[in-house]
Amino acid sequence: GAVVSQHPSRVICKSGTSVKIECRSLDFQATTMFWYRQFPKQSLMLMATSNEGSKATYEQGVEKDKFLINHASLTLSTLTVTSAHPEDSSFYICSASQGIQYFGAGTRLSVL
Amino acid sequence: GEDVEQSLFLSVREGDSSVINCTYTDSSSTYLYWYKQEPGAGLQLLTYIFSNMDMKQDQRLTVLLNKKDKHLSLRIADTQTGDSAIYFCAESISSSNTGKLIFGQGTTLQVKP
Repeated sequence: GAVVSQHPSRVICKSGTSVKIECRSLDFQATTMFWYRQFPKQSLMLMATSNEGSKATYEQGVEKDKFLINHASLTLSTLTVTSAHPEDSSFYICSASQGIQYFGAGTRLSVL
Repeated sequence: GEDVEQSLFLSVREGDSSVINCTYTDSSSTYLYWYKQEPGAGLQLLTYIFSNMDMKQDQRLTVLLNKKDKHLSLRIADTQTGDSAIYFCAESISSSNTGKLIFGQGTTLQVKP
């Protein structure tokens, strides 16, 4: 149980385009989902906390207009990187919480 | 503020035991976790321990918690090459009602055949 699906696993896009990443809890309902960013050989940096039906709470220094988060249902949250630039290239990981956080497999974003 | 510290690297021989250590600062933390991350993958929950426990064992994994010293350890018995990965320690933030976690920097475990 407690499976979290993240899609796509890898995306390459041109600078200036927007990219949407989906995070789904497959076998449980998650009132809270989290979005993280991970730089090479570093730990996870929490970007935002997403609650179903309400606005996401962003961590200090994370641009909410740049990283749009939508949590429309108890099993789906999306992260949209708007007007992506090469500095947005990174590994993005979501988690869904059922008291305990379960993680997706991550999305490798490369912006050319 | 809350902080979690781990050593960055551990190398062991196959068949030996591995012990990964972690210190944390939030004494009111309810749960402490160990996650495993293989290259290019997400985090896999290995085990967790409730703050009122001293020890938890699950097959080859043993977690020890010393609340007085705010020290957490993960022991992997009979370490295998497939255990090579990055191991993250994480504590739940007592001041958060959403289950936010603070992660350590991760310990890279290298298992030599």
